[in-house]
Amino acid sequence: RKEVEQDPGPFNVPEGATVAFNCTYSNSASQSFFWYRQDCRKEPKLLMSVYSSGNEDGRFTAQLNRASQYISLLIRDSKLSDSATYLCVVTSGNTPLVFGKGTRLSVIA
Amino acid sequence: NAGVTQTPKFRVLKTGQSMTLLCAQDMNHEYMYWYRQDPGMGLRLIHYSVGEGTTAKGEVPDGYNVSRLKKQNFLLGLESAAPSQTSVYFCASSHRLAGLYEQYFGPGTRLTVT
Repeated sequence: RKEVEQDPGPFNVPEGATVAFNCTYSNSASQSFFWYRQDCRKEPKLLMSVYSSGNEDGRFTAQLNRASQYISLLIRDSKLSDSATYLCVVTSGNTPLVFGKGTRLSVIA
Repeated sequence: NAGVTQTPKFRVLKTGQSMTLLCAQDMNHEYMYWYRQDPGMGLRLIHYSVGEGTTAKGEVPDGYNVSRLKKQNFLLGLESAAPSQTSVYFCASSHRLAGLYEQYFGPGTRLTVT
C-alpha cells in the first residue's frame, strides 16, 4: 500500500461548483498534514496546513480524520484560477514530507 | 529575497555524461532536499540534508550523489546519466524537517537524457 494515496482525477467542474478531494495515508504515526498546490510546469507551493479540528481559509476547507486515516480538501465556488494539481502531504514528524501523486482539477468556464 | 533558485533550468545530456545541478537558498534554512517528478509518479525524494556537511538518502538515491558544503547550497550530481534519469528535478528547503514548517521549492530543472 502506498504511504499516501490520492485519486488522480482529473476532476472537471464548472465555475462556481463545489469540489472535494480525499487523500488516505497508511502510517498511523503521521502527525502533520498539508495540501500543496502545483500549477502546470511550476513548482509545488503550500496551500494550507491541516489541523485536527479542521480549518478553513477563504473558499478552502481542510479536514482530518485520524481514525480513518484520511484528509480532505473542499473548494467552494470554484474559480478558473483554481485549476491545478493538489498534492496531499503527510509526515510523521521526524522524517521528510511524503507527497501523494496529486489530484488534477480543471475548472471550466 | 530570491527564495530557492536552481541552475540550470533545462539541460539535455547524452547517456554516460555527467552533470551537477545547483540549488541555492537565501532563507537561512537548515534543511534542503532534492526531488524528482515523473508523470504518474509524483514527487520522489532523492537525497536530503539536515545541515551543512550532512546528507541522507531518500526514496530513490541510486545514480545520484549530493553535497552540502555550504548551508545555502545543495548540489545534486549525476556521474553517468541514464535515460531513466530524464525527469524534472526540484530542490526545496525548510526551517525544520517536518512539523508545521513550510517547504519552499525552486522552479525546477528539466533534464532529458538521450
